[in-house]
Amino acid sequence: EAGVTQFPSHSVIEKGQTVTLRCDPISGHDNLYWYRRVMGKEIKFLLHFVKESKQDESGMPNNRFLAERTGGTYSTLKVQPAELEDSGVYFCASSPYRADTQYFGPGTRLTVL
Amino acid sequence: AQSVAQPEDQVNVAEGNPLTVKCTYSVSGNPYLFWYVQYPNRGLQFLLKYITGDNLVKGSYGFEAEFNKSQTSFHLKKPSALVSDSALYFCAVRDPQSTGANNLFFGTGTRLTVIP
Repeated sequence: EAGVTQFPSHSVIEKGQTVTLRCDPISGHDNLYWYRRVMGKEIKFLLHFVKESKQDESGMPNNRFLAERTGGTYSTLKVQPAELEDSGVYFCASSPYRADTQYFGPGTRLTVL
Repeated sequence: AQSVAQPEDQVNVAEGNPLTVKCTYSVSGNPYLFWYVQYPNRGLQFLLKYITGDNLVKGSYGFEAEFNKSQTSFHLKKPSALVSDSALYFCAVRDPQSTGANNLFFGTGTRLTVIP
């Protein structure tokens, strides 16, 4: 069974540019989560989808971040325009409905210069 | 509010010796507790969890953790460390009774180095 995949693995952009991160969850997983780790700090929750609906987006830092989950399958996280403090590793995780364990992807390392 | 503390940024242990990676938590309700490991250039891998029942839980790769409610701790342990255990370890907590009940709250991570 394929795990959670994320694309790209690395992205380097300049301040003010736009970047879109993609996450493909494990097939059949209704729950999809986005998290972010800023250098050396804890991994922080950003938002949670159940199928195509946003269940909780309380962790989204500001309105420069937009997440979508088309048809309840893959998800994208767009940052527009990117700022220096957006640099970090963005993780995606998925889980079956009502499951306790979340399964994480390899992360996307975003560097904003 | 939920929070997790991993008091040690770095833990060094000799191969073959027992290892402990510490974690304490704060939640208002009964916690769900997790350990994840991140190997170099890899994503987070689930190691083990405590939901309910026996306080000692066993997980992947010979790791175990003990839930201690009075000390609000969930330390990760292994009887005999391997060089291949060298990685970054994250403790996480969920409070299923809270708003945002599905979200994980993570510690800052502990880098474990096993010395041959």
